[in-house]
Amino acid sequence: GESVGLHLPTLSVQEGDNSIINCAYSNSASDYFIWYKQESGKGPQFIIDIRSNMDKRQGQRVTVLLNKTVKHLSLQIAATQPGDSAVYFCAENSDDRGSTLGRLYFGRGTQLTVWP
Amino acid sequence: GAVVSQHPSRVICKSGTSVKIECRSLDFQATTMFWYRQFPKKSLMLMATSNEGSKATYEQGVEKDKFLINHASLTLSTLTVTSAHPEDSSFYICSARAVGQETQYFGPGTRLLVL
Repeated sequence: GESVGLHLPTLSVQEGDNSIINCAYSNSASDYFIWYKQESGKGPQFIIDIRSNMDKRQGQRVTVLLNKTVKHLSLQIAATQPGDSAVYFCAENSDDRGSTLGRLYFGRGTQLTVWP
Repeated sequence: GAVVSQHPSRVICKSGTSVKIECRSLDFQATTMFWYRQFPKKSLMLMATSNEGSKATYEQGVEKDKFLINHASLTLSTLTVTSAHPEDSSFYICSARAVGQETQYFGPGTRLLVL
């Protein structure tokens, strides 16, 4: 089964506020994590990634934090905009079959709704 | 960069017919492509992993004779849903991973409706 889960299935924020989406994972051997954004009827879009040798990585308006001690991942979106409304998935790359580069396990997803 | 396309974006077919979905990496070579299925308001379910030039690896519970996967080149993988039935109606998404990279880039998805 999947080893990645999300604390909150829905999140509503006001435009301009910061958003924080959380994710828990269970495989301590996972070494690579990705956040994807999926808009309705479209495929997931890569947002940001982080390797296990880091605890923070920043992109444009987004920051990913990784806490390996408690196996927790979060995505922070600064100054959230209506266009950020989507489902956000965390994904964990796990080499559980001994195959090169492994495969992704996806969390349930969090629906982010941004109100004007 | 890292653009993945899928064709068709939508398809409606009659029960019993077969449907082929194409997945292409447009600006990079993908040694590995993945096929996912997604139900409404659910997460992505991996169906199979496709490596160029070799047989696909199917996830448990996915019928390989039902969902035929071909990955004949470094930029193209196809998924054929054979003898489709209404329960095969779903959103099918592919992803591609470049040589030596871990990040998967996703296509826009194909909405299949079987009548």
